[in-house]
Amino acid sequence: DADVTQTPRNRITKTGKRIMLECSQTKGHDRMYWYRQDPGLGLRLIYYSFDVKDINKGEISDGYSVSRQAQAKFSLSLESAIPNQTALYFCATSGGLAGGWDEQFFGPGTRLTVL
Amino acid sequence: GQNIDQPTEMTATEGAIVQINCTYQTSGFNGLFWYQQHAGEAPTFLSYNVLDGLEEKGRFSSFLSRSKGYSYLLLKELQMKDSASYLCAVIKAAGNKLTFGGGTRVLVKP
Repeated sequence: DADVTQTPRNRITKTGKRIMLECSQTKGHDRMYWYRQDPGLGLRLIYYSFDVKDINKGEISDGYSVSRQAQAKFSLSLESAIPNQTALYFCATSGGLAGGWDEQFFGPGTRLTVL
Repeated sequence: GQNIDQPTEMTATEGAIVQINCTYQTSGFNGLFWYQQHAGEAPTFLSYNVLDGLEEKGRFSSFLSRSKGYSYLLLKELQMKDSASYLCAVIKAAGNKLTFGGGTRVLVKP
């Protein structure tokens, strides 16, 4: 079974709709992240959480919100989706610096299309 | 802020060597990662450099010069399966967040 899972894997929605993307992990990691990926722009950080009570904005948080329901779950919401939020969304987890560096492990991605 | 630059695309021949350069400008630098990403898939970890020098892992090597703000990923004995995007990412000590470059798409031809 995959260590980091995302649901749904694909979603098509309309402008103005509320959308929630979910991420679960079985790695036992405290740190979780949400990124979006657009062609030519690489991965950009939306929000991140270093433990259940910690939520931080990334570089492009406008139009998004998150909820850390448990150590293993981190969801991303688009309150009112707009077409320029069409992108590939990745969740990632990391375990901190215990191993010498804080490697991030990525989920399979959610392809979101906003019409 | 951080600027991370890498070429958009490179083409190489099966069995050859390709070097992907990454330059960065950042304060509080605490390491540089390289990830591989096949089309439509999740990025996967390749290497991490925090000290100057070369790290070798089989066919892949990564080099870092902190004073020059420069890294490269070297792929040797290219195989068709190496066709993918390669992402350079810098981590800062404060906040422990990764900032990614735009990625370099490598196409390996027979």
